[in-house]
Formats: sequence, structure tokens, C-alpha cells
Amino acid sequence: GAVVSQHPSRVICKSGTSVKIECRSLDFQATTMFWYRQFPKQSLMLMATSNEGSKATYEQGVEKDKFLINHASLTLSTLTVASAHPEDSSFYICSARTDYPDTEAFFGQGTRLTVV
Amino acid sequence: AQSVAQPEDQVNVAEGNPLTVKCTYSVSGNPYLFWYVQYPNRGLQFLLKYITGDNLVKGSYGFEAEFNKSQTSFHLKKPSALVSDSALYFCAVRVGTGGFKTIFGAGTRLFVKA
Repeated sequence: GAVVSQHPSRVICKSGTSVKIECRSLDFQATTMFWYRQFPKQSLMLMATSNEGSKATYEQGVEKDKFLINHASLTLSTLTVASAHPEDSSFYICSARTDYPDTEAFFGQGTRLTVV
Repeated sequence: AQSVAQPEDQVNVAEGNPLTVKCTYSVSGNPYLFWYVQYPNRGLQFLLKYITGDNLVKGSYGFEAEFNKSQTSFHLKKPSALVSDSALYFCAVRVGTGGFKTIFGAGTRLFVKA
């Protein structure tokens, strides 16, 4: 299957700082990228959907000023957690897919964010 | 509302025995259904999908799933479980257009005992 690379895999930051997570599709051009958050022993919660060159669509209850998503190219999307707080600590996962040809979503390996 | 349900939080099987992980769905229109597996602190790995065609879908690592439209189910199966199959399994359905959001079930933790 296609490869989606997510970086970093693990990050620890101080409360109040911002953290950027990158998601790259390595061998295909992603029409759409998705960002999920996963709490311990829980399912994936979709945070937002982004299409290259347009603003991300956020799910209800997700603060767009806190979780800034940029989809600058067909192979790169970034999630910036602005002014992170301990409650933002979580496992963040991105996924990517194409419309042409229609594919399932391929997932990055996830980023464990710990805010201290 | 479109949703996916995995009724079992955990499934325990002995190595060598068949396993089933259950999934039911509720969507409008024809469903696109998926199974993914997640190992600790890792992203999700795609196992298999059903879009159309044969109701029995074969996927990676010997897994298969059967689409049952009348029961709105898409159960994951494997004839002979391995200890290495122990992981968290997610059923998912793709919904919508122009972006195709994927909605995940709550996940089922599979334990395979040697």
C-alpha cells in the first residue's frame, strides 16, 4: 500500500508553546488528508479534513484556532497545536487518500504529544 | 446518522482457533467498509475493504470479512489465530462526498493466547 509518513513520532513540549506535526504522502498525491485524535483505549476522533490549497473543514467541537491545519501541497499537511496545554496531550494520527484513483485512506504512524 | 458499531470491547481466542470480530453499520446508500489494525503507539494498518462485488473479501495476513447487507454487518474473520494477531481492530465506514470522511467504530481489542 501507499506510504504516509508522520513526523515527529513523539514530542514533549512545555505548556504554552506551539507544536507542529507533519504528514507526508511519500509515493502518491493526496487529494485529501485527515487529522485524528485518539485518547487512550478509545477510537479515533476525526478533527478535520483538509484539501490541498483550501481551508480545512473542522468537526464540531474542534477549535480551529487551537488546531491549525495547513495543506500546502498534494503531499504535505501540517497540524499545529497552538499554545499547547496538558489537556492537549494525546496521540494524533493523520491519513491521506486520493480521489483518482479512488483509494482507501492510508495512515501515518501517529504522533504522541505530551505537554508538561 | 451514519455510524459504525463494534459491540465487543475485547475478544479472547486461543492460538489456532478461528476468530471473529464483529461490526455493524448504519449508513445511507451503499457502504464503503474497511477494517484496520493498530499496534501499540502506531498508526493504523489497512487490512481489507468492501466496496462492491463479492460479499466475502480477503485481505492482509489471512484475514477476511463478510459483507451482509440484510444484517448490515461486516464481521472480520480468520480461520486460525496467531499470537501476533493480538492488537486493536477498527471497523470503519466511508461517508459523504468530496472528501469522504471515514468514521471509525470504537475498536475491539483482540487477545490471542498461546
